[in-house]
Amino acid sequence: GAGVSQSPSNKVTEKGKDVELRCDPISGHTALYWYRQSLGQGLEFLIYFQGNSAPDKSGLPSDRFSAERTGGSVSTLTIQRTQQEDSAVYLCASSRQYQETQYFGPGTRLLVL
Amino acid sequence: QKEVEQNSGPLSVPEGAIASLNCTYSDRGSQSFFWYRQYSGKSPELIMFIYSNGDKEDGRFTAQLNKASQYVSLLIRDSQPSDSATYLCAVNIQGAQKLVFGQGTRLTINP
Repeated sequence: GAGVSQSPSNKVTEKGKDVELRCDPISGHTALYWYRQSLGQGLEFLIYFQGNSAPDKSGLPSDRFSAERTGGSVSTLTIQRTQQEDSAVYLCASSRQYQETQYFGPGTRLLVL
Repeated sequence: QKEVEQNSGPLSVPEGAIASLNCTYSDRGSQSFFWYRQYSGKSPELIMFIYSNGDKEDGRFTAQLNKASQYVSLLIRDSQPSDSATYLCAVNIQGAQKLVFGQGTRLTINP
């Protein structure tokens, strides 16, 4: 079946602009996660959605970051007033249930000039 | 102390040898443990998961879990150059609704 998809695959933007990153999880997966990975670094947890529960936003680095998940499926991560330090690969993952295996999408490479 | 720790490497192993990757974690209540492989420029892909103490084998890969000592390891037998990648250990921290990833160990298999 189809895996996790993300769009765009690459995004170049100017400092101060807003960007939206999209994640389409595996069908039937109730849990969805966003991570950030800077060059040569490990995965940094950003936010987690489980079904209709309130999301765990504990990893969001600042109030410029927000995410939503509509209808329990597609999720959008929004970064407002982008900064150069936001440049990274943003990875989305989904799992059937909480604590089960997470499957990753191909990521969105964001470059803020 | 970090929640999940791995040696960043690089770890260099000759082709055909056994590569041993180690991971320690801080939360004694953790229940599930995952090993992901990440090739350069690609997203992580699951290799194995383990929930119970002891060994779990899948082909050339063996995951070992010791909850008393709070470590989990991954052994790769008959290492191949295609095994060269960064290996990420991930742990479900009890009470936290997320996986916590280690920094990853970069493994190079030398032909």
